[in-house]
Amino acid sequence: LAKTTQPISMDSYEGQEVNITCSHNNIATNDYITWYQQFPSQGPRFIIQGYKTKVTNEVASLFIPADRKSSTLSLPRVSLSDTAVYYCLPGSGAGSYQLTFGKGTKLSVIP
Amino acid sequence: GAGVSQSPRYKVAKRGQDVALRCDPISGHVSLFWYQQALGQGPEFLTYFQNEAQLDKSGLPSDRFFAERPEGSVSTLKIQRTQQEDSAVYLCASSSRAPNTEAFFGQGTRLTVV
Repeated sequence: LAKTTQPISMDSYEGQEVNITCSHNNIATNDYITWYQQFPSQGPRFIIQGYKTKVTNEVASLFIPADRKSSTLSLPRVSLSDTAVYYCLPGSGAGSYQLTFGKGTKLSVIP
Repeated sequence: GAGVSQSPRYKVAKRGQDVALRCDPISGHVSLFWYQQALGQGPEFLTYFQNEAQLDKSGLPSDRFFAERPEGSVSTLKIQRTQQEDSAVYLCASSSRAPNTEAFFGQGTRLTVV
């Protein structure tokens, strides 16, 4: 399983764009990169998943460079409700099912 | 229901007591997972079911932990002779198929062993 490194915490003001970068140097060829969000007293929630280049959905964008050794989750114009822990999970390649969460990045959005 | 449902939401057990935690996955979801989350940590994998078959129980911390899914739907995580280090949030998740797919989590059961 690929080991990940993320900032432990980040602060941002409302309305700003937030970028959270995750390093995963030994990602396997068939691994996808998935990001989950977890609010207090809730289970994690899937945000976005990608394999390479850029993926965008209604919630976030995911940027993955060509070497795939890192990925960046981009949250446009954050609001107070985006305050949560964000987890980067490389893995879930073909035949895999186990999600390895790590400690995540605690994002605090300040009014 | 629309999502994964877990019960009870909170459980306080005396040390040595047995507990049973229930998970109702999303209807039709083949895969079911249990995770344990200690305070301030990310969730850690416990076990995985595909329908009624328990394909991986490598994350169960000891033989006091037991999980079942007899009819391929509802699952129960049982902890025998609870100890203080078992205090954590226990999360259940389900997905329509295992690889490369979105997992839907329940709100969890917070277990406190006193």
